[in-house]
This record gives sequence, structure tokens and C-alpha cells, in this order.
Amino acid sequence: KAGVTQTPRYLIKTRGQQVTLSCSPISGHRSVSWYQQTPGQGLQFLFEYFSETQRNKGNFPGRFSGRQFSNSRSEMNVSTLELGDSALYLCASSSGTGRAYEQYFGPGTRLTVT
Amino acid sequence: AQSVTQLGSHVSVSEGALVLLRCNYSSSVPPYLFWYVQYPNQGLQLLLKYTSAATLVKGINGFEAEFKKSETSFHLTKPSAHMSDAAEYFCAVSDPNNDMRFGAGTRLTVKP
Repeated sequence: KAGVTQTPRYLIKTRGQQVTLSCSPISGHRSVSWYQQTPGQGLQFLFEYFSETQRNKGNFPGRFSGRQFSNSRSEMNVSTLELGDSALYLCASSSGTGRAYEQYFGPGTRLTVT
Repeated sequence: AQSVTQLGSHVSVSEGALVLLRCNYSSSVPPYLFWYVQYPNQGLQLLLKYTSAATLVKGINGFEAEFKKSETSFHLTKPSAHMSDAAEYFCAVSDPNNDMRFGAGTRLTVKP
């Protein structure tokens, strides 16, 4: 089975721009979660989608949004980029929602905002 | 709110020595606890998880962790370190809403 894939792997954007990151979960997985990883704040939960519905959301401003498609692929969007948005964005998929289900992580998208 | 604290941002051991990475948790409900490993430029890989069954949990690559409720700890151990164990390790706790909180991470260095 192919693992979780994230595109692009690396991205450089300018302050004020917007960006869209993509995540393709493991085949058959219906839950996708997004995390932000920075040296200062560590790993922080952004949101989780299950069957195209947002199930849970972390403490991030409204500039961060996401969606999930009927094939379980997910995108996250960050508008009006700030320097502090530079981070590794990780996507994880699982076969169900709830903590009993193991999350499988993708390699991440490294976003640099200049 | 749930949280985890990893004691020691950097741990260095010699190859063949015991690996001990410390994690303490705070939770108002019975926790689910996890240890993940991250290699450079890669995502996280699950090493093991505690889900209220056996208190001693065995994971991949020879790692294990023991849940100690009285000490609110979930320390990760491996009897003999290998060079390939060098990576960053994260302890995490999940609440019933599947809100996962990660520790700050511990970078493990293995000296030859």
C-alpha cells in the first residue's frame, strides 16, 4: 500500500500571499489530520477531517483552513501568509476517527515565507 | 487539558548503551499515550502506543515503554542503542476527542 503523500514537498512564498497544500491519504483511509511543526512551538494540531467534515480544530487563526474531498484527499490553505507561518506541515491519515485509530504521517511540506 | 512534558531536549548515549527517554503526562481522563520517531526530512512514525491495556507496551525496533499511573509517566526505553536510532522522539497524549498533544521532542544522539 502506498503511504501518505504530500505535495509539494518544498514551497517558498512571500508575505501576504496564499498557499494551498495537498495531502493524499493511504487508500481506504477516511480521516486526515493536519499538523504544523516549528522549532519554537513544536508540533501543533491544526484540524481533522473525516468523510468531508471537519471533526476537530486546533487553536489557529481563521487564515488556516482546510477541506476534504469525496476521495478523502485533503487540502489546507493559508491566506495572507506571515513570516511565522514558515514551518513543516504534516498530514496524517487513519482509517477511522478517534484516538483508537493509528495515524500514519506523510513526509510533510516545508513552507518558507520570505 | 491534556499535555505531555519530555524531560531533556537532547540525550546522548553510546552505541550498545541503554536508551531512556522520559515523558510525563497530565490528563483528566484515562490517557492514550504514544511515542513517535522522526528522522531528518521525514514525517513521524509510530513506535508504540498505550491504550489502557497492558502497562508495558512493546513497539517496533526494540523499543518499549511502561505506563506508570502513580508517577504519570510513560518513559521510552531500549536496552541497546544502535546508530540507526539517532533521531528525534516525540511523546504524545490523545483525549477522547482525538485532540493529540505532542511533547517538545528529544533528540537522541548515538555515539560510536
